[in-house]
Amino acid sequence: DTAVSQTPKYLVTQMGNDKSIKCEQNLGHDTMYWYKQDSKKFLKIMFSYNNKELIINETVPNRFSPKSPDKAHLNLHINSLELGDSAVYFCASRWFAASTDTQYFGPGTRLTVL
Amino acid sequence: ELKVEQNPLFLSMQEGKNYTIYCNYSTTSDRLYWYRQDPGKSLESLFVLLSNGAVKQEGRLMASLDTKARLSTLHITAAVHDLSATYFCAVDKDNQGGKLIFGQGTELSVKP
Repeated sequence: DTAVSQTPKYLVTQMGNDKSIKCEQNLGHDTMYWYKQDSKKFLKIMFSYNNKELIINETVPNRFSPKSPDKAHLNLHINSLELGDSAVYFCASRWFAASTDTQYFGPGTRLTVL
Repeated sequence: ELKVEQNPLFLSMQEGKNYTIYCNYSTTSDRLYWYRQDPGKSLESLFVLLSNGAVKQEGRLMASLDTKARLSTLHITAAVHDLSATYFCAVDKDNQGGKLIFGQGTELSVKP
């Protein structure tokens, strides 16, 4: 059983297109996150939702819009894709109340913008 | 702004040797996490360190936390090839278990 899953695993698209990445967790967690890992492997938090409410919203272009239809799902929609958006995007989840718990990461989505 | 710095960034070791990866951070935090990432893979949680003086060990890896020095170490004992990976430390910025700020990662290569 996959704890945190993401689709698609790979995404290749042209500049200017709009694309979405989906994330689902079956761990029963109530908090989910999106991270971006660049070509130098640097990881940066982008967003977090707790029970469908946005609780972390880092300085990210407003072309990026997260959506959480329920606490088990967190999607990331990107408008007008740019070359600099090429990266690996990781979803993660945890129990918010267990504030000392680690975050569980999905397999990642490798986005390539041509 | 919280900064998390690891060193070294690249580490080439021989099997059987010992070494330490250092993680320094710039503001007060009681929570530090270590993760492992294999090439092209996800992040796997290794250790959660929650208080000053915390020490945790798993196999050939041992992690410690000194919150006064704002320093965590990941010690590798008698390295084996299977430990080759990138290791990240991450600090909880607000001590609320959510906003993780990651170090740059240490790419470890263990050679026979």
